[in-house]
Amino acid sequence: QSALTQPASVSGSPGQSITISCTGTSSDIGSYDLVSWYQHHPGKAPKLMIYEGSKRPSGVSSRFSGSKSGNTASLTISGLQAEDEADYYCCAYAGANTFVVFGGGTKLTVL
Amino acid sequence: QVQLQESGPGLVKPSQTLSLTCTVSGGSISSANYYWSWIRQSAGKGLEWIGRVYTDGSTGYNPSLKSRVTISLDTSKNQFSLKMSSMTAADTAVYYCARGSIACDFWGQGSPVTVSS
Repeated sequence: QSALTQPASVSGSPGQSITISCTGTSSDIGSYDLVSWYQHHPGKAPKLMIYEGSKRPSGVSSRFSGSKSGNTASLTISGLQAEDEADYYCCAYAGANTFVVFGGGTKLTVL
Repeated sequence: QVQLQESGPGLVKPSQTLSLTCTVSGGSISSANYYWSWIRQSAGKGLEWIGRVYTDGSTGYNPSLKSRVTISLDTSKNQFSLKMSSMTAADTAVYYCARGSIACDFWGQGSPVTVSS
């Protein structure tokens, strides 16, 4: 069982927006602004899409945005495109003993 | 452009120790203040953080794996490595090396490891 809770799947049509939630606790997401989101296409290396909760690495589309409220972080993808279909994982700092925790992953289907 | 490449055996027998190496190119592993991490993904499951080593050699491990894992730097070869002991079938996975800890910006392509006799 993963430390962070994500929905197993979400779906949307091209052009629509979707949001993936990532629920943790007051020991991880609730305490630190250190949440990342990864896009993972099967057979390829994961790609960093969001870091420190809401920052985008260079080259990542502005259609991807991140936010946090309390113990829950969210990834929003606007203007869905076919190539966005992938697995998405959240990742958070969980303190000096546990260090890093991942969510179980969410499969995004573009209808 | 930083590139990472994992290398090691694709098959490990139960109870043996897995040794994987990540070779970093396009930048010195010791010249900047980065964490270098190992992450794995078992078939049909999500990503699991294994542990990390910092530029100064300090380490941090997943508490559930800590007793079996050692991560270390070899600055002379621009590499870092993972050793995981007492391997079982549950450790069968694709093992990734990456630069960073929570925000991993560069990844290797992954090294499949099967634990089987």
